[in-house]
Amino acid sequence: NAGVTQTPKFQVLKTGQSMTLQCAQDMNHEYMSWYRQDPGMGLRLIHYSVGAGITDQGEVPNGYNVSRSTTEDFPLRLLSAAPSQTSVYFCASSYNTGVNNEQFFGPGTRLTVL
Amino acid sequence: GDSVTQMEGPVTLSEEAFLTINCTYTATGYPSLFWYVQYPGEGLQLLLKATKADDKGSNKGFEATYRKETTSFHLEKGSVQVSDSAVYFCALSDGGATNKLIFGTGTLLAVQP
Repeated sequence: NAGVTQTPKFQVLKTGQSMTLQCAQDMNHEYMSWYRQDPGMGLRLIHYSVGAGITDQGEVPNGYNVSRSTTEDFPLRLLSAAPSQTSVYFCASSYNTGVNNEQFFGPGTRLTVL
Repeated sequence: GDSVTQMEGPVTLSEEAFLTINCTYTATGYPSLFWYVQYPGEGLQLLLKATKADDKGSNKGFEATYRKETTSFHLEKGSVQVSDSAVYFCALSDGGATNKLIFGTGTLLAVQP
């Protein structure tokens, strides 16, 4: 198993550009989520999905879109990048919801918006 | 709302020293508590967890006890190794529909030989 994979590892964008951060898992996990990690703030939940076709907003969803057309993939879209979206983005997955389902994290994407 | 506070780093120790990283939490319900570790260039990995008061989580020589009376979940290890150098995150979850983890800001541990 590759676990949770994310691409790209690094990305530099100009303000107003769009891009998609890719996340995939091969563990047949129903639950997937996106977090952003900012200095001095820990990780914050952006969007999450409890299964294919189902997504919902987390704590900081503004400026981001998601979709879940397959169980394996959960891409995060930035439609018009802003400097405030400079961050490290982590995708996570777990078999299901509930605290007994360990959440597995990808290696992260470091995004810089100029 | 719920929150997690952990000691700021960096924490620099010599090999075989005793480690404590403090973590306290604020929650309205009865959350589960976690420690995650992030090695350089990698994603977060679950280190240990505790799901109810007085539970002790342990893994790889690390321990943490869920103390409801002091709302704490301090991470300890009796003898650290250079390979323990990483960022450690304390987190809580109420197990609700969002499955959200609420993280502390992370503590960088550097162990010198």
